[in-house]
Amino acid sequence: SQTIHQWPATLVQPVGSPLSLECTVEGTSNPNLYWYRQAAGRGLQLLFYSIGIDQISSEVPQNLSASRPQDRQFILSSKKLLLSDSGFYLCAWNRGGAGTDTQYFGPGTRLTVL
Amino acid sequence: GNSVTQMEGPVTLSEEAFLTINCTYTATGYPSLFWYVQYPGEGLQLLLKATKADDKGSNKGFEATYRKETTSFHLEKGSVQVSDSAVYFCALSDQSGANNLFFGTGTRLTVIP
Repeated sequence: SQTIHQWPATLVQPVGSPLSLECTVEGTSNPNLYWYRQAAGRGLQLLFYSIGIDQISSEVPQNLSASRPQDRQFILSSKKLLLSDSGFYLCAWNRGGAGTDTQYFGPGTRLTVL
Repeated sequence: GNSVTQMEGPVTLSEEAFLTINCTYTATGYPSLFWYVQYPGEGLQLLLKATKADDKGSNKGFEATYRKETTSFHLEKGSVQVSDSAVYFCALSDQSGANNLFFGTGTRLTVIP
């Protein structure tokens, strides 16, 4: 069966510090991968998606970036965090291809920027 | 373009009450429609989905019917339980190669004993 992991589960970082959140998927190959952010009391905002290694699409211009160094690894980074980066970050995967549009979500990382 | 409009919350119901959470959508083509549920402090879980008009998705007593004529996918449950307290998200897929999902803003449901 497939599983998706995110770490860390929680993170408190000062403004201006770097960020690295990691997401890995097990039990599947060549998945589509997604990063979402959920601000407090808000809906989900798609940040990045990837349909393959080193193929990253950005949905919202910001100080965040994403990388996919391996097939089942998706990393969200920032060089300098802003207060507005606080939120709940969710990684998701999907099998890819036509007729496979269900996304499966990880447990999330709660980021607080102080 | 693609968008989802979801009933504003929060919704508070007594146990065993009937639940309806409204969801309407705008889409090009023929999207799949989803309801996801988020329990406190957790990620999203797929609750149910429907892939074409008149399909009914169902799971754990929840149901939603894909209504193309009204572009709706309302979530219903006949008798809610305290354990159903969560945030519910309606979503549609863009049927692109990336299979992106477009989410509503979520509806927080609280069920009181």
